[in-house]
Amino acid sequence: RKEVEQDPGPFNVPEGATVAFNCTYSNSASQSFFWYRQDCRKEPKLLMSVYSSGNEDGRFTAQLNRASQYISLLIRDSKLSDSATYLCVVNIGSGSWGKLQFGAGTQVVVTP
Amino acid sequence: DGGITQSPKYLFRKEGQNVTLSCEQNLNHDAMYWYRQDPGQGLRLIYYSQIVNDFQKGDIAEGYSVSREKKESFPLTVTSAQKNPTAFYLCATKPSQGAQETQYFGPGTRLLVL
Repeated sequence: RKEVEQDPGPFNVPEGATVAFNCTYSNSASQSFFWYRQDCRKEPKLLMSVYSSGNEDGRFTAQLNRASQYISLLIRDSKLSDSATYLCVVNIGSGSWGKLQFGAGTQVVVTP
Repeated sequence: DGGITQSPKYLFRKEGQNVTLSCEQNLNHDAMYWYRQDPGQGLRLIYYSQIVNDFQKGDIAEGYSVSREKKESFPLTVTSAQKNPTAFYLCATKPSQGAQETQYFGPGTRLLVL
């Protein structure tokens, strides 16, 4: 079983609609969680950290469910520029430095 | 302009050849990492370094080597022992210790085998 699993998609979303997707992780000792965005043939870029209480950044909302071991990302009012692959990243290491484990990504395609 | 630079953007390797990928940062970050990304897979850790003159193997270190002689630089050598080197190679940095801190990526190098 993969440590971090994501639905690869693609999620085809009409412009202006809302899309949400989850990521599950297997290590219950995971300390911190992140969503990255990766455009085609580019490097991943940090989108947002995920906090226990959930957090929102503009049109993006992230939630953490420790009991069920998943995190989610919701995108409201989707823009064409939101088309990308969204990587779920979990810090699974022990100690202060930790170790990041990456999901394979969920592809989102926003259509006009 | 600050940040993480990787060169070259594209690199071609012939059979039996060693090639070196450059990663430089001027962010004064302590830790540096090398990952490879293959289609349909998550990033996999090759090597990492938390301080100068020290580095650790990641999950897929076989066929690779690194050095960390300067804080700013963490070059990766893909040796001829790496039988499937075609991939997108990403260098990342992390400011310091702290589980809440995440990593920041350079623009990557695409390695292709001729």
